[in-house]
Amino acid sequence: EAGVAQSPRYKIIEKRQSVAFWCNPISGHATLYWYQQILGQGPKLLIQFQNNGVVDDSQLPKDRFSAERLKGVDSTLKIQPAKLEDSAVYLCASSPLNRDRGHSYEQYFGPGTRLTVT
Amino acid sequence: AQRVTQPEKLLSVFKGAPVELKCNYSYSGSPELFWYVQYSRQRLQLLLRHISRESIKGFTADLNKGETSFHLKKPFAQEEDSAMYYCALSRTGNQFYFGTGTSLTVIP
Repeated sequence: EAGVAQSPRYKIIEKRQSVAFWCNPISGHATLYWYQQILGQGPKLLIQFQNNGVVDDSQLPKDRFSAERLKGVDSTLKIQPAKLEDSAVYLCASSPLNRDRGHSYEQYFGPGTRLTVT
Repeated sequence: AQRVTQPEKLLSVFKGAPVELKCNYSYSGSPELFWYVQYSRQRLQLLLRHISRESIKGFTADLNKGETSFHLKKPFAQEEDSAMYYCALSRTGNQFYFGTGTSLTVIP
């Protein structure tokens, strides 16, 4: 099966500009996650969707970040306006469901988008 | 607050030696714990989870609720084990938290 697809793979923008990332999860996966991974740190969950509904966005900086998953399939993450501290790898992951029978399903990660804000 | 701590950023062991990657967590409930691994130029992928109590690629991890730890162990390290390892915690399938990772190098 095809894995999680993300584009672009690399993006360089100036601060205060806008940027958008796209993710296409594995077919049939109900749950989609966006993570931010700053250099030297672990992935930080920004937002979690189940189908087209938001399950958790408690760590999403809502003043500048937004995400949507129309039709419950692919998703876009937007930053507007970007700051220097947004430089990071943005990872998308998907799973069949977030949880069933008392345990979480495995997350399948995409290759990530490396964002550099100058 | 939920937190996952991996105290070692770098760990080097010789081939054939035992390896232990430490993970401690803080959580006031019953967490789900995972180990994810990222090999060079590959995607982050699940290695194992505490709920399944399985051994993957010779690695095991036991959840110790008393010590709030979930250390990853392998009795004999192999060169192909060299990778970045992340411990992760989930609260009821939501709100996943990852540690900062440990870079393991197995010396031939």
